[in-house]
Amino acid sequence: KAGVTQTPRYLIKTRGQQVTLSCSPISGHRSVSWYQQTPGQGLQFLFEYFSETQRNKGNFPGRFSGRQFSNSRSEMNVSTLELGDSALYLCASSSAGIWGTEAFFGQGTRLTVV
Amino acid sequence: SQQGEEDPQALSIQEGENATMNCSYKTSINNLQWYRQNSGRGLVHLILIRSNEREKHSGRLRVTLDTSKKSSSLLITASRAADTASYFCATDTTSGTYKYIFGTGTRLKVLA
Repeated sequence: KAGVTQTPRYLIKTRGQQVTLSCSPISGHRSVSWYQQTPGQGLQFLFEYFSETQRNKGNFPGRFSGRQFSNSRSEMNVSTLELGDSALYLCASSSAGIWGTEAFFGQGTRLTVV
Repeated sequence: SQQGEEDPQALSIQEGENATMNCSYKTSINNLQWYRQNSGRGLVHLILIRSNEREKHSGRLRVTLDTSKKSSSLLITASRAADTASYFCATDTTSGTYKYIFGTGTRLKVLA
């Protein structure tokens, strides 16, 4: 069974640009979550999708948005990039409709904003 | 805000020794999971323990959960150099928020 796939693995963008990150969950998993990891803030929850519906959103500005497609693949978009958006973005997938089963993470996308 | 706080922040041991990491959290939980992260890469799922469980084993890993103290511990026995990584606990709350809250992590270094 293939794991969680995130693309691209690395990105370098300029301030003010926008970026789209992709996450393909484990086959059969319908819940996809996104997290931002930085040295200063640790792992912070961005949002969670289940069957194309956003069920929860973390405390991030509106520049951060996401969506989920009917095949459960998810994308995350960050507009008007700031230097502080440089981070490792991690996606997790889970099988359960009710949160509480194992969440499996991808390798992450390392975003650098210059 | 962080739900979980791992202790110690860093740990250095010799190969073959046991490593114990602790996690404390603030609110009631459904379950708690432990993850390993190697040097800025993705998180590897280690073990999930539910709120009605007290102890779980998986290979060289033993996890305990004390809901009355809102704490969990991860024990790695007979550690190996390959166990060098950061270890995180993650909790989901009973409020059904569909998110995990991660602790600050313990950086483990196993010396060969």
